[in-house]
Amino acid sequence: EFVLTQSPATLSLSPGERATLSCRASQSVSNFLAWFQQKPGQPPRLLIYDASNRATGIPARFSGSGSGTDFTLTISSLEPEDFAVYYCQHRVNWPFTFGPGTKVDMK
Amino acid sequence: EVQLLESGGGFVPPGGSLRLSCAASGFTFSSYAMTWVRQAPGNGLEWVSAIDAPGDRSYTADSVKGRFTISRDNSKDTLYLQMNSLRAEDTAVYYCVNDYSNSRIYWGQGALVTVSS
Repeated sequence: EFVLTQSPATLSLSPGERATLSCRASQSVSNFLAWFQQKPGQPPRLLIYDASNRATGIPARFSGSGSGTDFTLTISSLEPEDFAVYYCQHRVNWPFTFGPGTKVDMK
Repeated sequence: EVQLLESGGGFVPPGGSLRLSCAASGFTFSSYAMTWVRQAPGNGLEWVSAIDAPGDRSYTADSVKGRFTISRDNSKDTLYLQMNSLRAEDTAVYYCVNDYSNSRIYWGQGALVTVSS
């Protein structure tokens, strides 16, 4: 079973700043990695699939990179609506486990 | 438009049982695998169980194995999660998820299950 770790646990930034979130897998997941954003009281929303592809309707300020075991989600310039929790998930085979999440909050 | 509507959540005492349902619409339900994901209050996402399109193959997380059973009725476009021997740590919002494709992953709004005496 794949184990995903995310860092940092919390990222305190201001609007307009760049956010860099990390996800590491216990073994190679190739590029079968997704990123989700979740706001309070809402289900998660797919941001990035296959490590680097933006899902439909996701703004260009969100980008994903990496392959194998190390992945990064970058938000180039934080908008007020981007303050949320971000999860990575591998999609190699069942179970599609999630990382513990990174909370991006406002400084 | 894909819609996933969970129902069946509520309060249940420890040791009790509950069955969640997820009514699907907007896609050919019988062609896609389906998943249950849960989220305990204030916690992260936990992948619980999945079932393939025809309902022949499933996988259940160790944390609920032997207590939870996933199933589906393709004639009714409905996914189920039978939860037995419930514990306080099973308290969570349970989401129904359609892995339509890697680029389209649809989530329901969730059903709250509270296990408490």
